[in-house]
Amino acid sequence: ETGVTQTPRHLVMGMTNKKSLKCEQHLGHNAMYWYKQSAKKPLELMFVYNFKEQTENNSVPSRFSPECPNSSHLFLHLHTLQPEDSALYLCASSQDISSSGNTIYFGEGSWLTVV
Amino acid sequence: AQSVTQLGSHVSVSEGALVLLRCNYSSSVPPYLFWYVQYPNQGLQLLLKYTSAATLVKGINGFEAEFKKSETSFHLTKPSAHMSDAAEYFCAVSDRNTDKLIFGTGTRLQVFP
Repeated sequence: ETGVTQTPRHLVMGMTNKKSLKCEQHLGHNAMYWYKQSAKKPLELMFVYNFKEQTENNSVPSRFSPECPNSSHLFLHLHTLQPEDSALYLCASSQDISSSGNTIYFGEGSWLTVV
Repeated sequence: AQSVTQLGSHVSVSEGALVLLRCNYSSSVPPYLFWYVQYPNQGLQLLLKYTSAATLVKGINGFEAEFKKSETSFHLTKPSAHMSDAAEYFCAVSDRNTDKLIFGTGTRLQVFP
């Protein structure tokens, strides 16, 4: 069983839909991340949360809205997306962000297709 | 700013042959360096990491990497490729203040029988 669980694994949504991606970590970590993986592009860090507080928003469009209700759960709310937002969205966690060298653990990702 | 460059987006080897995946980094301070592997339809899994202890780092599945400061490199090697090694491999760097990882563009490894 993976320590970081993402649901749904696959999502197809229209440009006017509202949907959410969910991530849960069972590792007792305090930092959680959203990454975007598109074809032929490096992984892009989107958001970072540390102890439920957002510490980084990497110039992500407002149609992506993260929510971190506690250190174990992270959501990515999606609204009015564009076809170019189709990608694999990876959730990850680490012990915290203040101790460098910590391993970041990834979930299996949510494949998003915007039609 | 930190960055990593992975030379070769695709590498093909025969089963049993040496695997060499190249990674060069750019960092103004001693970095932490990582190799992750992504199998089809899965997330990223840590293979190994360098955090300034021994310069030769051994990881899972028989992989290892050597940190060479003079060459700013952290190449990944495995003496004998196995069919199950076919995957995408990502090199990443982080600085000593945060866990934020900067990834390379990845190298897809194909292993032929």
